[in-house]
Amino acid sequence: QVQLVQSGSELQKPGASVNVSCKASGSPFNRYALNWVRQAPGQGLEWMGWINTNTGKPTYAQDFRERFVFSLDTSVSTAYLQISSLKAEDSGIYFCAGGLGAPSLWGQGSLVTVSS
Amino acid sequence: DIQMTQSPSTLSASVGDRVTITCRASQNFSDWLAWYQQMAGKAPKLLIYKASTLQGGVPSRFSGSGSGSEFTLTINGLRPNDFATYYCQQYEQSPYTFGQGTKLEIK
Repeated sequence: QVQLVQSGSELQKPGASVNVSCKASGSPFNRYALNWVRQAPGQGLEWMGWINTNTGKPTYAQDFRERFVFSLDTSVSTAYLQISSLKAEDSGIYFCAGGLGAPSLWGQGSLVTVSS
Repeated sequence: DIQMTQSPSTLSASVGDRVTITCRASQNFSDWLAWYQQMAGKAPKLLIYKASTLQGGVPSRFSGSGSGSEFTLTINGLRPNDFATYYCQQYEQSPYTFGQGTKLEIK
């Protein structure tokens, strides 16, 4: 069964960095685009961008072009989201989502809390 | 950027009802429009892609239509587990923007 499994919850202080992982199983990793989506507490979904799992090229939405980095390790079928210089407003659930076109396969979400 | 506006923001309905959610775009685009269902505390689930194509395993009481800048999601014969939040997303042009969501509540 194809699935995306994300890393667990993180509690970090402002100014720190965090890495969220998204591991694919049950399907070749390079078969789809891998999107990242943020959901702030009590808010809607916000598309952050995507990474091409064939080439490794990331594409970022405007609000995520600084401090956010998408990367891959294809040897372990895992995508990563790194957020640096964390701010309180970065708190939320981060989802990875894969698919050809509209993403049909979603990770369970990773909760990131930024608090001093 | 293409802005997506959903209406209504909240919708109250009863089991068995037929409901329609609308998604309007700030500019015309092709039919690269998806609908998702999100239950509380869960990841979104893809219901419909390409405006009207039902994702595998999704019940036929869900349907999508529309073109240009106006799209609709219709749910016929609401079931108890349909009460959730619904989002549209355009994936025609980066950034692939979501609507703000429609919360479907039990009346």
